[in-house]
Amino acid sequence: AQSVTQPDIHITVSEGASLELRCNYSYGATPYLFWYVQSPGQGLQLLLKYFSGDTLVQGIKGFEAEFKRSQSSFNLRKPSVHWSDAAEYFCAVGAGEQELNWGAGTKLIIKP
Amino acid sequence: GAGVSQSPSNKVTEKGKDVELRCDPISGHTALYWYRQSLGQGLEFLIYFQGNSAPDKSGLPSDRFSAERTGGSVSTLTIQRTQQEDSAVYLCASSILAGARVTGELFFGEGSRLTVL
Repeated sequence: AQSVTQPDIHITVSEGASLELRCNYSYGATPYLFWYVQSPGQGLQLLLKYFSGDTLVQGIKGFEAEFKRSQSSFNLRKPSVHWSDAAEYFCAVGAGEQELNWGAGTKLIIKP
Repeated sequence: GAGVSQSPSNKVTEKGKDVELRCDPISGHTALYWYRQSLGQGLEFLIYFQGNSAPDKSGLPSDRFSAERTGGSVSTLTIQRTQQEDSAVYLCASSILAGARVTGELFFGEGSRLTVL
């Protein structure tokens, strides 16, 4: 069965530290991969997406993600987090005309 | 407005009552989605509208749930005879369909938080 897993419910990092949020999927073919962010009081916003080509994709707000086929992963990274990055992050995976599968989300907490 | 607008932002109702949630998508977006977000869960797909095509209702959890989209724009999600397990945030998203159904960027509203007492 197709599935998306975000293993970390919460992650706490210090401001200025690097960040990696994990996303693993189980799909039969290479899927489309997305990261969305949900900031407090706001709708979800697309950070970046991968369809094909270069496996390292750059997104908004200084985020990037790397598609690793061998590991069925699409981890989100940022070299130095800012307090404004505190939010909930969702990985989503889809293929063809099927509806997206969403991970349960990872809540990012920033320590001053 | 420029974004997806949802109303009400908060709704508290009693078990057994009907509720209507409204979504006003971005002008020109042909695709519209409803999702349900429960605490600690990922987004649960409910229904998808695309242009004049028949909607994909495969995610609706029961026949108490229905949705319509009038004139290809505003959509209303109706929950009849609400139950406590219906308590969640209901999210609406719209998209310009470009290629496969899942490839377009989704633009989300802030959601309608439903609490069923």
